[in-house]
Amino acid sequence: SAVISQKPSRDICQRGTSLTIQCQVDSQVTMMFWYRQQPGQSLTLIATANQGSEATYESGFVIDKFPISRPNLTFSTLTVSNMSPEDSSIYLCSVRGTVLADSYEQYFGPGTRLTVT
Amino acid sequence: QKEVEQNSGPLSVPEGAIASLNCTYSDRVSQSFFWYRQYSGKSPELIMSIYSNGDKEDGRFTAQLNKASQYVSLLIRDSQPSDSATYLCAVTASGGSSASKIIFGSGTRLSIRP
Repeated sequence: SAVISQKPSRDICQRGTSLTIQCQVDSQVTMMFWYRQQPGQSLTLIATANQGSEATYESGFVIDKFPISRPNLTFSTLTVSNMSPEDSSIYLCSVRGTVLADSYEQYFGPGTRLTVT
Repeated sequence: QKEVEQNSGPLSVPEGAIASLNCTYSDRVSQSFFWYRQYSGKSPELIMSIYSNGDKEDGRFTAQLNKASQYVSLLIRDSQPSDSATYLCAVTASGGSSASKIIFGSGTRLSIRP
């Protein structure tokens, strides 16, 4: 499976500011996703990051709040904008498939633990 | 609303016994099914995938799928304390723009007692 890294691993931010989270994969992948996991909860899909076009957002998530970029097949960023304490969560990058063989098996990065004060 | 249901637990199993984790899903045409293990403070790790009815074995893990009953399970044989974690069931959504999405259950906390 692909090796996925995320930066930063954790951060403490003040309300009203923005944080950009980076996701880097060691191989070209077909699909990249961004999830949020709040304490004691399961995974919530924020959006699918599309290479070269706008991300596809899930219900309840909007581009102004969570802008996403995916300039190539190995890299994506998620920005959490105008943060409030309710945005405190773990943000996870996930990938699926390679350019050689598509697959439904999804793998997760180590996550970014965000605390908003 | 497509759903994946799991008992939240905690499920307590003695060391060396078989742990049985269950999951039901609502989307009758789902085709791909996964089990993830998540240790506290860590990200989910894919441990099993199953695509057709029946059993699939990998080491101490066996995934079982029954599409007619919309039921998928994970058996862990010879349970070890290191198996203590939350286990997430995941199912692909079907059709249209959601065809590529995986839906996760809320997870079952498993505790292996020595």
